[in-house]
Amino acid sequence: QQPVQSPQAVILREGEDAVINCSSSKALYSVHWYRQKHGEAPVFLMILLKGGEQKGHEKISASFNEKRQQSSLYLTASQLSYSGTYFCGMESFLGGTSYGKLTFGQGTILTVHP
Amino acid sequence: NAGVTQTPKFRILKIGQSMTLQCTQDMNHNYMYWYRQDPGMGLKLIYYSVGAGITDKGEVPNGYNVSRSTTEDFPLRLELAAPSQTSVYFCASRSRLAGPPYEQYFGPGTRLTVT
Repeated sequence: QQPVQSPQAVILREGEDAVINCSSSKALYSVHWYRQKHGEAPVFLMILLKGGEQKGHEKISASFNEKRQQSSLYLTASQLSYSGTYFCGMESFLGGTSYGKLTFGQGTILTVHP
Repeated sequence: NAGVTQTPKFRILKIGQSMTLQCTQDMNHNYMYWYRQDPGMGLKLIYYSVGAGITDKGEVPNGYNVSRSTTEDFPLRLELAAPSQTSVYFCASRSRLAGPPYEQYFGPGTRLTVT
């Protein structure tokens, strides 16, 4: 089943903050976050592993609540370059290895205005 | 390193035609994946491979076939194209290692229209 992302879209002014949430009905091994600009390929932002810590990437950080099977992406002091669609990709583990297979959420469109 | 390359960039097919989407990576990655992305949607896994000669189905394999004869190449074959296969197709690869780097590296995509 596809992870559920919320909100579907966010509109910000430069310097404002945003939070994007992602939840799954499956037990998770890791959560990956990607950003995709219009007409381009997704680009990796960060990964959060089961039992791992909160990760950061410049002013973008994320958390992973294993028990609730949820992850949140935090964008602080947003910049114009943050505009794009953000996807969470969730890796489940049912014994053995997942071979890195990800199930992606439907995406959250982030628009940052000057 | 070129990373992951895909050809063609764009293609228009008529219903019932067949084609092969090419994907090549030069990072010596064992794991490779094919995704499709419909407008305004997330990525759905079509097929994946864990090494030369080993492939398996993802979420949406119907209407597609794959092969993996080398580590570098992972072509996706569309047989009897249908309008429902109109989409953007992304190939990705990842290291087999249990540790970092964990990321999937994506190719630039192939935009396919079936009319």
